[in-house]
Amino acid sequence: DGGITQSPKYLFRKEGQNVTLSCEQNLNHDAMYWYRQDPGQGLRLIYYSQIVNDFQKGDIAEGYSVSREKKESFPLTVTSAQKNPTAFYLCASSIEVAGNTGELFFGEGSRLTVL
Amino acid sequence: GDSVTQMEGPVTLSEEAFLTINCTYTATGYPSLFWYVQYPGEGLQLLLKATKADDKGSNKGFEATYRKETTSFHLEKGSVQVSDSAVYFCALSEYSNTGKLIFGQGTTLQVKP
Repeated sequence: DGGITQSPKYLFRKEGQNVTLSCEQNLNHDAMYWYRQDPGQGLRLIYYSQIVNDFQKGDIAEGYSVSREKKESFPLTVTSAQKNPTAFYLCASSIEVAGNTGELFFGEGSRLTVL
Repeated sequence: GDSVTQMEGPVTLSEEAFLTINCTYTATGYPSLFWYVQYPGEGLQLLLKATKADDKGSNKGFEATYRKETTSFHLEKGSVQVSDSAVYFCALSEYSNTGKLIFGQGTTLQVKP
């Protein structure tokens, strides 16, 4: 089945450690996104990528890094510089980049907890 | 900048009650509008969308009408079920070529039998 796969589903990290969240899609979508979800705050955009080997900062990029070496993969690294990393992270993709149809397809999320 | 505001939750209803979740937006240009639903422990799924003024999006008994004059996109359902319990997000697409969505804060709906 086509879709977006995020792993791991749950992750625990000690303070000072970097962690990488995986996001893979087999929908042949050009654009991919990382959102962070906190209770009562909705979703906030961390990074997005419209094409391979290119990505842009979103609204809360500080303390995060990404790469887009392949069309189907968009991993997110939460670095030790991220001051409050405990959150639910959602990866998404969309078929269209231009225009404003804006329909996103989401993975099931990764919950990161810092101990 | 563009923004979306949803009514505060949680909203608690009895089964078969009428549902309204308010959503208003601020945007330049003419964005598309969306409602997404998130069931417990899962990612978001598109529920319905409308791409221009006066369009009505509908799916699974839910409806929302794009009202440009009141900058609103309220979600309604005539008779909710326990299985509708979830978090509902209103969103708009930026009028640009990024495909980015701007989300409201989400409204939790709990339906009791």
